[in-house]
Amino acid sequence: QVQLVQSGAEVKKPGASVRVSCKASGYTFTNFDVNWVRQAPGQGLEWMGWMDPNSGIPGYAHKFQGRFTITINTSISTAYMDLSSLTSEDTAVYFCARGVAGTTELDVWGKGTTVTVSS
Amino acid sequence: SYELTQPPSVSVSPGQTARITCSGDALPKKFAYWYQQKSGQAPVMVIYEDSKRPSGIPERFSGSSSGTMATLTISGAQVEDEADYYCLSADSTGNQGVFGGGTKVTVL
Repeated sequence: QVQLVQSGAEVKKPGASVRVSCKASGYTFTNFDVNWVRQAPGQGLEWMGWMDPNSGIPGYAHKFQGRFTITINTSISTAYMDLSSLTSEDTAVYFCARGVAGTTELDVWGKGTTVTVSS
Repeated sequence: SYELTQPPSVSVSPGQTARITCSGDALPKKFAYWYQQKSGQAPVMVIYEDSKRPSGIPERFSGSSSGTMATLTISGAQVEDEADYYCLSADSTGNQGVFGGGTKVTVL
């Protein structure tokens, strides 16, 4: 079945960087975008960015440009998000989601990865 | 930056109709998508392209859009529909996704 499996929880110190992976299975990876969404504790969903695996061209929310990077390894159907210069405000659950190409139709979601930033 | 506005909460009795609105200046040109999120779980898409329902989503969920407002309607709400609901769309450039602030639906 179609699924996205994310890497495990992370605990990081302020100023550090974090990488979260998202491995896709059950569909042709290059036929869909990969989106990243986060949710701080008790807060709403926040769209972070997307990438078309075919072109490798990303699109980032203005808020995260400069310290957020999406990369993709199509040979293993895996997407990665890197977030640098972490602060306590980056403590959140990070979700990857499959997107219908060029849209905000996110039809399959990973279970989420908790990132905790604490000194 | 572009914003989508939702009411923070909606309350409805079981069997009644709940309506959740989402307003945004680009909605006349961009589709709205609706997501249900229950506590501790990943979101689930309940409406796509303003008014289409994915397979497996109950018929009581419907969507519409007119002008700068999209609406999610739950007709005959059930206790299991208690959740947070989010609209998602793109800004006028189509390059930025934006979520609404979310609406907590209470069925009691």
